[in-house]
Amino acid sequence: QGHLVQSGPEVKKPGASVKVSCKASGYTFTNYGITWVRQAPGQGLEWMGWISAYSGDTNYAQRLQGRVTMTTDTSATTAYMELRSLRSDDTAVYYCASPSDILENWGQGTLVTVSS
Amino acid sequence: EILLTQSPGTLSLSPGDRASLSCRASQSVSSNYFAWYQQKPGQAPRLLIYGASSRATGIPDRFSGSGSGTDFTLTISRLEPEDFAVYYCHQYDVSPTFGPGTKVDIK
Repeated sequence: QGHLVQSGPEVKKPGASVKVSCKASGYTFTNYGITWVRQAPGQGLEWMGWISAYSGDTNYAQRLQGRVTMTTDTSATTAYMELRSLRSDDTAVYYCASPSDILENWGQGTLVTVSS
Repeated sequence: EILLTQSPGTLSLSPGDRASLSCRASQSVSSNYFAWYQQKPGQAPRLLIYGASSRATGIPDRFSGSGSGTDFTLTISRLEPEDFAVYYCHQYDVSPTFGPGTKVDIK
């Protein structure tokens, strides 16, 4: 059973970038992908994208294309999600989850607050 | 993008009641790529059902999923106190999306 631990909360100004990490343990990291999901305060879940930990292939949600980059460091069994040109409506809890489609394991979430 | 619509928005029931939650897709979804999640306040979502009808590890058998094409249902046969939560449907067939959620609260 996999275990995912995310980095701590972030406060950013509009226009800045944020990079959230997700450390995986308890399974062979390169056997599965990592999905990123976010949840704005009081709102539902939004699928952001996916990265293969084996090949590095990515699939991003269309509305985030050009602003989001997902990467992995296989030696550190860690996935990263960077979001650029932050806006106030990017304020949300960001989750990593695995495997790539049947999301059985979730990180604890990282609150990213965008405020001037 | 496949739009998922969940109904009702809120379901007010009592412990012991049967709950039936609906999720409708804007176009046909392969049953192999349909799931349900439960989320409680302040917690990450928890996988309940995948492949439309397969229970995830450790999920009690009072939870069941059914459906195909554009109409899917999550049924909780007898509500336990810990089942009062928000439930999301999710398709991971094409450009994954989540439904807006159904809140099951105590009547």
